[in-house]
Amino acid sequence: GENVEQHPSTLSVQEGDSAVIKCTYSDSASNYFPWYKQELGKRPQLIIDIRSNVGEKKDQRIAVTLNKTAKHFSLHITETQPEDSAVYFCAAISSVSGNTPLVFGKGTRLSVIA
Amino acid sequence: EAQVTQNPRYLITVTGKKLTVTCSQNMNHEYMSWYRQDPGLGLRQIYYSMNVEVTDKGDVPEGYKVSRKEKRNFPLILESPSPNQTSLYFCASSRAGSNTEAFFGQGTRLTVV
Repeated sequence: GENVEQHPSTLSVQEGDSAVIKCTYSDSASNYFPWYKQELGKRPQLIIDIRSNVGEKKDQRIAVTLNKTAKHFSLHITETQPEDSAVYFCAAISSVSGNTPLVFGKGTRLSVIA
Repeated sequence: EAQVTQNPRYLITVTGKKLTVTCSQNMNHEYMSWYRQDPGLGLRQIYYSMNVEVTDKGDVPEGYKVSRKEKRNFPLILESPSPNQTSLYFCASSRAGSNTEAFFGQGTRLTVV
C-alpha cells in the first residue's frame, strides 16, 4: 500500500521568511496530493491540492510542487505570518474513483516567530 | 451551513463499556471516513464508506465497527474499548471519494481508563 513520509516534523521560521515542507510517497500510481492545515485545537482543513497531471499549483502565498519521477511533493509558504503557525499534513492517494484510502504523512508543526 | 457534526466532543469511559460516536453531514456527500489522530503518528484512517451500505477497512480497523444505513450518518462503534483506543477521533466527508476535498468534523477526544 501507499506510504507517505513527511519532513521535517517541526519547523521554526521568522515572520516574513519562507517555509518548505517535503513529502515523499511510495506508490508511483498516486495521482492526488492534498495538503491540510490544522490549527491548535481545531479540525484539519484543506489548503491546497494538486493532481498528477500538473507540476505546480499556486494560491496566493501557498504553492505546491510535484515531482512524479522522484515521487515527492512539497508545500511552499512565502512571506510567513504568525497565523500560518499550525500543523500541516500532506497526503497521497492512488485512485481514479476515490475508493481507496487517503494516506497522510505524520505532520509538520510550523512555528512562525514574530 | 455546510458541516460535519460529531458527538460527543469529549468522552471518558471505562475499559469494556460499549460506546458510539456519532457523525452526521448535511452536504449530501457520498464518501465518509473515520480517522484517529495520535501524537507523532498523524492521521490514520480507521474505516471508510463510499456510499450507503458500503464500508471498508482503513489502516487501523481493529477494535472498531461502523455502519452506513443512511447517507448522512456514519457512526463509529467501539464494542469493547481498551486504553490503546484513547485518541482524538475525526469524522470526515467528501463529495465523491477520497480524491476530493475532505471536510472534517470538530473531533472527539476519547479517553479509556
